[in-house]
Amino acid sequence: AQSVTQLDSHVSVSEGTPVLLRCNYSSSYSPSLFWYVQHPNKGLQLLLKYTSAATLVKGINGFEAEFKKSETSFHLTKPSAHMSDAAEYFCVVSRTGTASKLTFGTGTRLQVTL
Amino acid sequence: GAGVSQSPSNKVTEKGKDVELRCDPISGHTALYWYRQRLGQGLEFLIYFQGNSAPDKSGLPSDRFSAERTGESVSTLTIQRTQQEDSAVYLCASSLEPLFAGKEQYFGPGTRLTVT
Repeated sequence: AQSVTQLDSHVSVSEGTPVLLRCNYSSSYSPSLFWYVQHPNKGLQLLLKYTSAATLVKGINGFEAEFKKSETSFHLTKPSAHMSDAAEYFCVVSRTGTASKLTFGTGTRLQVTL
Repeated sequence: GAGVSQSPSNKVTEKGKDVELRCDPISGHTALYWYRQRLGQGLEFLIYFQGNSAPDKSGLPSDRFSAERTGESVSTLTIQRTQQEDSAVYLCASSLEPLFAGKEQYFGPGTRLTVT
């Protein structure tokens, strides 16, 4: 079984300040972890993924996430927010090495203010 | 190349009517997934097709929901006798192969279904 918990449904930051979107996962198996972004009226886009290689994963648009097994976390960060980062972000888990469906978190809406 | 496309983009239907939603995956993608996203919630897995294997239907919420896929091409999701709780955005995704080592899924824009 696997599940994912996004600890904040809504995060608001000022432009130029750091972003932290929190995600904790639960998995009985070795997990693959993803972050997806969904802009209004657009499809889901993969930001980054962890698949048992390097624990610090860099993605697109300056985002990165660190896999911490001891804390069962995969938090998403960005050093400096941009207005275009405003969107819904989903943390996702799947089971590495098998054909498996993705399990999505409930999402975190990121608001970026001037 | 073209991404995953879905039609219609919006569908309003009366309670009790049947609806059919269509997904065109990226050419060459053997795996196809349907998800449902209710307002303010994450994605719920519905069904997964992989090549000619039997589909994984474990996420279908009731027997009113069914889906078909011919080979590695178009898929249709059918909801019979629609209910108001079926109102949601239905998302389709495809990937090159099953989720081995975290292969990426590519998502379509979704079909927004409203049941009145």
